[in-house]
Amino acid sequence: GQSLEQPSEVTAVEGAIVQINCTYQTSGFYGLSWYQQHDGGAPTFLSYNALDGLEETGRFSSFLSRSDSYGYLLLQELQMKDSASYFCAVMIYNQGGKLIFGQGTELSVKP
Amino acid sequence: DAGVTQSPTHLIKTRGQHVTLRCSPISGHKSVSWYQQVLGQGPQFIFQYYEKEERGRGNFPDRFSARQFPNYSSELNVNALLLGDSALYLCASSLAGRTEETQYFGPGTRLLVL
Repeated sequence: GQSLEQPSEVTAVEGAIVQINCTYQTSGFYGLSWYQQHDGGAPTFLSYNALDGLEETGRFSSFLSRSDSYGYLLLQELQMKDSASYFCAVMIYNQGGKLIFGQGTELSVKP
Repeated sequence: DAGVTQSPTHLIKTRGQHVTLRCSPISGHKSVSWYQQVLGQGPQFIFQYYEKEERGRGNFPDRFSARQFPNYSSELNVNALLLGDSALYLCASSLAGRTEETQYFGPGTRLLVL
């Protein structure tokens, strides 16, 4: 089967940097995605790693290491509006649009 | 451009009833996927449709069914509702449903079964 593990919650202060880790047990996955979700609203796509290494998108960066079955999302210059749940998800080969999500990490940004 | 839209936004049903949820994908997107998200958990894959054909099915009972229409909109049907079906139901669309494509989610339908 496939599973992804994330910390359930993380707390950081405004302006700081926070890293949300994701470890996975899966085979034949195409890439690792990250989504943000505010208060049960629509998950919003943040970043995607098809290859090992770092992808940077503004204040957000994501990293993937297939050999370590590990990835992370890095959020810099934290703002209060970054308080949300963050999900890692893998896209499975030959299963079209099937995304397998982690349980999510609730990020609280304090002033 | 409009994003993915879903209706209704909220719904209250009683056990044993049937429910139909609707989704309109982003214009130009031909693939629609459905996910169930229980409070405090990540979304779980239910179905994917592309060009009106079912492409994938998650581990959900036969009470769950879906279809896609010629305009690429989609319906999710759930029969014989159980209390455990209470969840946020999310629809996501992508261009052609290929593995590597980004999926864009709608705001969801929050279903409460009493």
